[in-house]
Amino acid sequence: AQSVTQPDIHITVSEGASLELRCNYSYGATPYLFWYVQSPGQGLQLLLKYFSGDTLVQGIKGFEAEFKRSQSSFNLRKPSVHWSDAAEYFCAVGAQEYGNKLVFGAGTILRVKS
Amino acid sequence: DAGVTQSPTHLIKTRGQQVTLRCSPISGHKSVSWYQQVLGQGPQFIFQYYEKEERGRGNFPDRFSARQFPNYSSELNVNALLLGDSALYLCASSSQRITDTQYFGPGTRLTVL
Repeated sequence: AQSVTQPDIHITVSEGASLELRCNYSYGATPYLFWYVQSPGQGLQLLLKYFSGDTLVQGIKGFEAEFKRSQSSFNLRKPSVHWSDAAEYFCAVGAQEYGNKLVFGAGTILRVKS
Repeated sequence: DAGVTQSPTHLIKTRGQQVTLRCSPISGHKSVSWYQQVLGQGPQFIFQYYEKEERGRGNFPDRFSARQFPNYSSELNVNALLLGDSALYLCASSSQRITDTQYFGPGTRLTVL
């Protein structure tokens, strides 16, 4: 069965500092990988996705993520965090064998210090 | 273009009651999925519908049911509500291919008292 682990429940970074949010997945075949962001009381907004090809994926708002098959990881990065990035971030995995069903991690809450 | 819309925004029910949540997908999208997000957790897959047919079902009891209409909108029904059904219910739409991105609506916050 597919599973996603986000080891960090909370992360606090200073504004302007770099950010890395970790995501590890468990799945036997080639997964499709996603990062979504959720502001309080809101739905999910897609930041970026990986289906195939270049393992470094660029997304919106200056975010990027790197797929590392050997480590079963898909970590999200941003070189310089803005106060508006404070939100909850979810990593998700899908697979063709499971249709369009997404399996989400538990999320990482990002707090930005000014 | 309008995104995914859901109604109502908030809902309060008591145990044992029934509830219906509604979702309108992005224009042109034929697939709708439902997810339940309990406070402090990631969303969990409930159902997927494509062209009015159920394409996938998550590990939820039979109290949960859904349907998709000819205009591709969808309803999620939950019977015999339990306190544990309190959650944010998210609807997502996608075009049709397996690899198509799912776009989420703002959700319906259900509180069961």
